[in-house]
Amino acid sequence: QSVLTQPPSVSGAPGQRVTISCTGSSSDIGAGYDVHWYQQLPGTAPKLLIYSDSSRPSGVPDRFSGFKSGASASLAITGLQAEDEADYYCQSYDSSLSGYVFGTGTKVTVL
Amino acid sequence: QVQLVESGGGSVKPGGSLRLSCAASGLTLSQYYMSWIRQAPGKGLEWVSYVSTSGGYIRYADSVKGRFTISRDNAHNSLYLQMNSLRADDTAVYYCARGRQFISGQKRAFDIWGRGTVVTVSS
Repeated sequence: QSVLTQPPSVSGAPGQRVTISCTGSSSDIGAGYDVHWYQQLPGTAPKLLIYSDSSRPSGVPDRFSGFKSGASASLAITGLQAEDEADYYCQSYDSSLSGYVFGTGTKVTVL
Repeated sequence: QVQLVESGGGSVKPGGSLRLSCAASGLTLSQYYMSWIRQAPGKGLEWVSYVSTSGGYIRYADSVKGRFTISRDNAHNSLYLQMNSLRADDTAVYYCARGRQFISGQKRAFDIWGRGTVVTVSS
């Protein structure tokens, strides 16, 4: 099962900016498929955070932003807050699998 | 209140079967593709399967192909996952999720998730 590659962890002090990378291949992100991002707080179901590369659903603070270039994408969190401590996953579609793929996940720690 | 509620999880021996259900309230499932996504203990998310609005188009992850069957009953606003020949590595929390196409022609994001149901496969 193909997966998208993310760093296992990132950390930052309150108020800082952190970024999470998501690296794919020519059959998923590189093929032009949208990238979506999810936040999973401890013990809860994932929540859609960013859709279609860079759009935020209603209610998601503008501290969260997404970018895509080539076969990679990234999620940025500015003005880091304690409540942002969670696991974050990117997701796209893989044409060679005819199915969806998730990133390996990144744990964000607020120092 | 919009919500998806999974049920049917439990403990089963290797080789056994389980049928998961996902009931929707506050939303009409028939208008959307639906997926099952799982998360093994301490691990990341893994997409398992999706079904089109009518049920006529279905896809599975290679890890479950030939063993799992997804289905839906639009009249009862429900989604199902029949899991046969279960293995230890199928142990996970299983989520049902709504697939939403935000941009025409693009693939879907999962915008509504249930709380999940736990499946444990162990001898």
